[in-house]
Amino acid sequence: KNEVEQSPQNLTAQEGEFITINCSYSVGISALHWLQQHPGGGIVSLFMLSSGKKKHGRLIATINIQEKHSSLHITASHPRDSAVYICAIIYSGGGADGLTFGKGTHLIIQP
Amino acid sequence: EPEVTQTPSHQVTQMGQEVILRCVPISNHLYFYWYRQILGQKVEFLVSFYNNEISEKSEIFDDQFSVERPDGSNFTLKIRSTKLEDSAMYFCASRRDRQGRAFFGQGTRLTVV
Repeated sequence: KNEVEQSPQNLTAQEGEFITINCSYSVGISALHWLQQHPGGGIVSLFMLSSGKKKHGRLIATINIQEKHSSLHITASHPRDSAVYICAIIYSGGGADGLTFGKGTHLIIQP
Repeated sequence: EPEVTQTPSHQVTQMGQEVILRCVPISNHLYFYWYRQILGQKVEFLVSFYNNEISEKSEIFDDQFSVERPDGSNFTLKIRSTKLEDSAMYFCASRRDRQGRAFFGQGTRLTVV
């Protein structure tokens, strides 16, 4: 059973398009991370959210705790945004603080 | 931006050998983690470490695995007797506190032959 579901699994878009990647989860969380993984394999943390919305440059992340749903948006997409975008949660309560990951969304932005 | 550093970037080892993967977390961080990603699969949690002891571990983290913080800067993952299925990318991560953002290293690609 996957506690973190992402959609779409794969997304190809043209440069300049507005991109939305969705993440749904089925458990109570204390926080949610959006991460970026490039072809070389390294992982970069983009956002950590526990409520509301965060913005950094062309990236916007939102979370709805009641609906157990988060979205990552990319405005004015560019080929350098091509990467795997991963949603990861931290369970609420107890001592658990490791991340549980989704399978990722493979994004390709074509020039 | 501060970085988590992992060495080596790639290690090839024979089945049954011991390997030690090394990580230097960000200096003022207190929470440390190891994750792994088998090729083509999602990233999986292995272990978290705080205050010089393991605070949480997954089912994957069996007796073949151990972690250590031998000095003030390094955080290591040891696999005692490697198996073919241990081949994966291993990521170290650190956080300043439990509410803080996780910072990841670039990973060590372990290949067991």
